[in-house]
Amino acid sequence: RKEVEQDPGPFNVPEGATVAFNCTYSNSASQSFFWYRQDCRKEPKLLMSVYSSGNEDGRFTAQLNRASQYISLLIRDSKLSDSATYLCVVNGLSGGSYIPTFGRGTSLIVHP
Amino acid sequence: DGGITQSPKYLFRKEGQNVTLSCEQNLNHDAMYWYRQDPGQGLRLIYYSQIVNDFQKGDIAEGYSVSREKKESFPLTVTSAQKNPTAFYLCASSQRGQGDQETQYFGPGTRLLVL
Repeated sequence: RKEVEQDPGPFNVPEGATVAFNCTYSNSASQSFFWYRQDCRKEPKLLMSVYSSGNEDGRFTAQLNRASQYISLLIRDSKLSDSATYLCVVNGLSGGSYIPTFGRGTSLIVHP
Repeated sequence: DGGITQSPKYLFRKEGQNVTLSCEQNLNHDAMYWYRQDPGQGLRLIYYSQIVNDFQKGDIAEGYSVSREKKESFPLTVTSAQKNPTAFYLCASSQRGQGDQETQYFGPGTRLLVL
């Protein structure tokens, strides 16, 4: 069983649409959670942390449900520039260090 | 500018050859990591180092070796024992002591191709 699972997509949406991605994790001892964005043939870049109370950064909203072990990312008013792969990352404590586990990513294509 | 650099951007390996990928950071981060990414796959952890002169195997360490002689440098050697080395290799670093909010910053990556 994969530790962090994401729907690979692609999600193909028009500009202005609202789109949501989910990510499930299997390790209930996971400590912290993040969303990264990865453009084609580039390195991943941190998009936002995910807090238990939910958090928002402009058009992006992240939610965490520890009981059901999933996190979500909501993008409102999609832009062409939002087209990318979104990686779910879960940090778990191992030997005194926080070691991240990455999902395979969800591909988003925003079209005119 | 502070950041992480990786070189070369593209690397070609012949059968039976060892190659070394460079990773340097000037962020003064304690921890450094090496990942491998295959098409359609997530990042898989090869090795990581939390402190100078110490490193740990990740999930797919076989066929790879690392060293951490300096805080700013964490080179990865892909040995001839790695039978399927073609992939995108990403180096990352993070600052310890931030608790569970420790986040990683990535270099631009090296694409390794086998001839």
